[in-house]
Amino acid sequence: DSGVTQTPKHLITATGQRVTLRCSPRSGDLSVYWYQQSLDQGLQFLIQYYNGEERAKGNILERFSAQQFPDLHSELNLSSLELGDSALYFCASSVAPSGRPGDTQYFGPGTRLTVL
Amino acid sequence: DAKTTQPTSMDCAEGRAANLPCNHSTISGNEYVYWYRQIHSQGPQYIIHGLKNNETNEMASLIITEDRKSSTLILPHATLRDTAVYYCIVSQGGSQGNLIFGKGTKLSVKP
Repeated sequence: DSGVTQTPKHLITATGQRVTLRCSPRSGDLSVYWYQQSLDQGLQFLIQYYNGEERAKGNILERFSAQQFPDLHSELNLSSLELGDSALYFCASSVAPSGRPGDTQYFGPGTRLTVL
Repeated sequence: DAKTTQPTSMDCAEGRAANLPCNHSTISGNEYVYWYRQIHSQGPQYIIHGLKNNETNEMASLIITEDRKSSTLILPHATLRDTAVYYCIVSQGGSQGNLIFGKGTKLSVKP
């Protein structure tokens, strides 16, 4: 158990819909990262927040957005869903804003999103 | 693109040491070598990381060559539960601290 929690575990929805995935980082961790894992693309970094502020952006679509709240939990919002958005979505957390060399990310169990 | 090269798959007999190689010939001086593994569709699990020196923890040992262009992850006594995809990742943990995952090595531990 990494200490990172994600809800829900599974989510099934239809094309065009909007969903919200939630992540609670490990106690004391200030950074949250979101990753997407699809069958054809592997694990890809989406976005990072540090203490409420966006820190880095990866291959995140404009239809996707995220935020980190004052209690440090984070939400990933996916809208206008397409079949290709079906994937595992992982959240990771670390102590530092990734500015500290050797900082380690710990991953949650993921949310499996199925778009029908 | 991932900065590392790993074999696609490897087999190991249960109880034997599993040695997983990784090439990272373009690693820069401030970049660390991280190892993660992913069992089936679970979240990636942190194993170990290092900069220059060899490292050991309760899970594994990491051997980094002197020129830092390659490394080996050693699982000393592999069990069936070690069957997973193992990812070797180079990252400086700086402003680009996000991890870039390649395809990893699928390790199959056989009885």
